Amino acid sequence: SSELTQDPAVSVALGQTVRITCQGDSLRVFLPTWLQKKAGHVPVVVIYGRNNRPSGIPDRFSGSASGSTASLTITGVQAEDEADYYCHSRDRFDNYLIFGGGTKLTVL
Amino acid sequence: QVQLQESGPGVVGPSETLFLTCTVSSGSISGYYWTWIRQPPGKGLEWIGHIYFGGINKSNPSLKSRVTISGDTFNNQISLRLTSVTAADTAVYYCARDAFGDPANYDSWGPGTLVTVSS
Repeated sequence: SSELTQDPAVSVALGQTVRITCQGDSLRVFLPTWLQKKAGHVPVVVIYGRNNRPSGIPDRFSGSASGSTASLTITGVQAEDEADYYCHSRDRFDNYLIFGGGTKLTVL
Repeated sequence: QVQLQESGPGVVGPSETLFLTCTVSSGSISGYYWTWIRQPPGKGLEWIGHIYFGGINKSNPSLKSRVTISGDTFNNQISLRLTSVTAADTAVYYCARDAFGDPANYDSWGPGTLVTVSS
């Protein structure tokens, strides 16, 4: 399969920890990128590769991967983390790139 | 600080060709992947394709042969051509610079441009 599957929605209480997962065969071979997308804003990369954070991204964001599953963990969730999160990687045969369907994170 | 700016028509007629340009300022377009990504209203992100000046040019197979991405190193511009558009192509279109390549790390984005397919 060349798809990346994410849960459509996840909720978390303010200050708690949340894990957003992404499943796909291609993740056995290729590491993902995680993007945050807020309405009316351009997407922002929060994690790329095994666990690399671009400059300016808080260290409460971290990434991990095992087998066909990749995870984005936000430790100590803040209100401003409420957004849609997308995993992004190559297809299984490295022909093109794909996005997961996105996970809407709600902070309670 | 590199800056990107998409430009093009806000409205395109069904079955017509969409042509968008991404102008890159304060930086060279050589040495990076340049990517087009779109987001239809109420839907998720979709990777359209990318170009790397050195011989790499890939596009989303779901768009079949409708997509052409090209670059102009003299004018520092990246272009997107999408033929035979339908309502399904209505979206905000973004150009982005990928500084890492594998995996992608989009470190600069244009503000996005809304394209509506309508007669």
